[in-house]
Amino acid sequence: EAGVAQSPRYKIIEKRQSVAFWCNPISGHATLYWYQQILGQGPKLLIQFQNNGVVDDSQLPKDRFSAERLKGVDSTLKIQPAKLEDSAVYLCASSPTGSRGETQYFGPGTRLLVL
Amino acid sequence: SQKIEQNSEALNIQEGKTATLTCNYTNYSPAYLQWYRQDPGRGPVFLLLIRENEKEKRKERLKVTFDTTLKQSLFHITASQPADSATYLCAQFTGNQFYFGTGTSLTVIP
Repeated sequence: EAGVAQSPRYKIIEKRQSVAFWCNPISGHATLYWYQQILGQGPKLLIQFQNNGVVDDSQLPKDRFSAERLKGVDSTLKIQPAKLEDSAVYLCASSPTGSRGETQYFGPGTRLLVL
Repeated sequence: SQKIEQNSEALNIQEGKTATLTCNYTNYSPAYLQWYRQDPGRGPVFLLLIRENEKEKRKERLKVTFDTTLKQSLFHITASQPADSATYLCAQFTGNQFYFGTGTSLTVIP
């Protein structure tokens, strides 16, 4: 079965510009997660979707970050405007139902550099 | 908020030896703990899950222990191989949040 797909793999932008990342989860997975992983740190959950509804977005900086999963399948994460501290790898993951303890399947990530 | 600490320094061991990685947490005891492996430039890959009522879990050369009294999980790789070199992350679901540790970089020297 195909894994989680993400694009682009790399992105370089200047501060105050906008950027968007795309994620296509494993087919049939109801739950989709976006994580931010800063160099040398573990992934930090930004937002969790269950189908097309938001389960948790408590750590999403809502003044500049937004995410949507309109049809309950693929998802887009946007940053507008970007800051230097947004430089990180943005990981997308999916799981079948989102139940506790369920394995999350991660994509390769999008590496963002903000200059 | 919950804090998860892993060995901050990189771990280098000789091939064939057992690698032991530590995951300590503060505040709330999780219902379960997961361990993931992450290779450079790739997303984490799930390895093992252990629940709070389990003391130990094994999978091939991997073993995980969970001590809720010490608030600690240990991750062991026996008969380590150079292919085991990677960063290992522990993760837990506490309250309504999913937390990852900072990860421990393991290098197995041939």
